[in-house]
Amino acid sequence: DTAVSQTPKYLVTQMGNDKSIKCEQNLGHDTMYWYKQDSKKFLKIMFSYNNKELIINETVPNRFSPKSPDKAHLNLHINSLELGDSAVYFCASSRTGTGEEKLFFGSGTQLSVL
Amino acid sequence: QKEVEQNSGPLSVPEGAIASLNCTYSDRGSQSFFWYRQYSGKSPELIMFIYSNGDKEDGRFTAQLNKASQYVSLLIRDSQPSDSATYLCAFPGGSYIPTFGRGTSLIVHP
Repeated sequence: DTAVSQTPKYLVTQMGNDKSIKCEQNLGHDTMYWYKQDSKKFLKIMFSYNNKELIINETVPNRFSPKSPDKAHLNLHINSLELGDSAVYFCASSRTGTGEEKLFFGSGTQLSVL
Repeated sequence: QKEVEQNSGPLSVPEGAIASLNCTYSDRGSQSFFWYRQYSGKSPELIMFIYSNGDKEDGRFTAQLNKASQYVSLLIRDSQPSDSATYLCAFPGGSYIPTFGRGTSLIVHP
């Protein structure tokens, strides 16, 4: 079984559309994350979420919103997609969220906005 | 703001050589550091972590931490073409969220 799974793997869409990326972890972890990786491989945090607290990177546009129906899922919803949103988006999880433990990554979603 | 700096490279080394990858960080209070390897088109995977000053060895990999100088290094001995990847260092940043450097691209040529 895949520990952290995200879908879809590829997402091609037009500017202005709304899209969602789903993420699920079966590790029983408390904390989940969304990272954006640009073409230069810079991995930048977007959101961190556990069952108590959502931490948002203040540089993330409010067109992006995380939605967590339960502890095992953290989906990413994007409104009014822009060309600059094209990137690879990684979901990740960690056991407690102290920052001093291994991150488990999903396989990534390559988003292309045309 | 807590940051980590990495030279993006690419770092090119011949097969069998030692590859040396470095990160510097801004927060003197940082206690733990992580090295992730990312192959092209794949997700990052943890290869080493280090908490204490000094060296930590695991097979061909050695992580070195110098808290006084605020740098962490990864040495790869007997480099192989299969080591060619992007290496990302990370540490707990603001709100203890894992914060990554920009990554160093390593190319090991036969």
